[in-house]
Amino acid sequence: AQKVTQAQTEISVVEKEDVTLDCVYETRDTTYYLFWYKQPPSGELVFLIRRNSFDEQNEISGRYSWNFQKSTSSFNFTITASQVVDSAVYFCALSEDNYGQNFVFGPGTRLSVLP
Amino acid sequence: DSGVTQTPKHLITATGQRVTLRCSPRSGDLSVYWYQQSLDQGLQFLIHYYNGEERAKGNILERFSAQQFPDLHSELNLSSLELGDSALYFCASSVDLAGGPGDEQFFGPGTRLTVL
Repeated sequence: AQKVTQAQTEISVVEKEDVTLDCVYETRDTTYYLFWYKQPPSGELVFLIRRNSFDEQNEISGRYSWNFQKSTSSFNFTITASQVVDSAVYFCALSEDNYGQNFVFGPGTRLSVLP
Repeated sequence: DSGVTQTPKHLITATGQRVTLRCSPRSGDLSVYWYQQSLDQGLQFLIHYYNGEERAKGNILERFSAQQFPDLHSELNLSSLELGDSALYFCASSVDLAGGPGDEQFFGPGTRLTVL
């Protein structure tokens, strides 16, 4: 069965610090998709990224970057120069395909960025 | 504003009842996804529809059903409600171009269901 582990339940950092949120996944599939989502205190969900298992290139989007390493089954998310607005719960997720087959979420990591 | 609308925003009902949650995707988006978020189960994927057809099914109970209509809006029907069905139900939409980058998901604000 597919599984996503986010070992960090809560993280607190001071504004402008860099922070990495860990995501470790388990799957027997050779093709799969990994996702990150953000849920700010207001409660809405925000899609951040989707990555397929064939693309191990790191992704950077502004202050956000993702490090995908198949060798360690990890898909870590780094926020550079964190800001108070980054405070949220972040979810990592895994899907067998692009449609949602065997889609599982991790438990989430609550990030608090203090001013 | 993501462009995805969900109604109602809040719903309070009793055990054993049946409710319908509605989702209108962004204009042009063919895919609709439903998710459930509860304190006990966390976030769970329920079901995905593309252009009226079911594409993937997750942890959706048999008491729950969904459909996507020709105008692409979707409804999630929950019946024989139990206390444990109390949760936040999100829908999301995407363009879902096969093989393309157009699968970014846009989420609605959610419907908070309380079963008493």
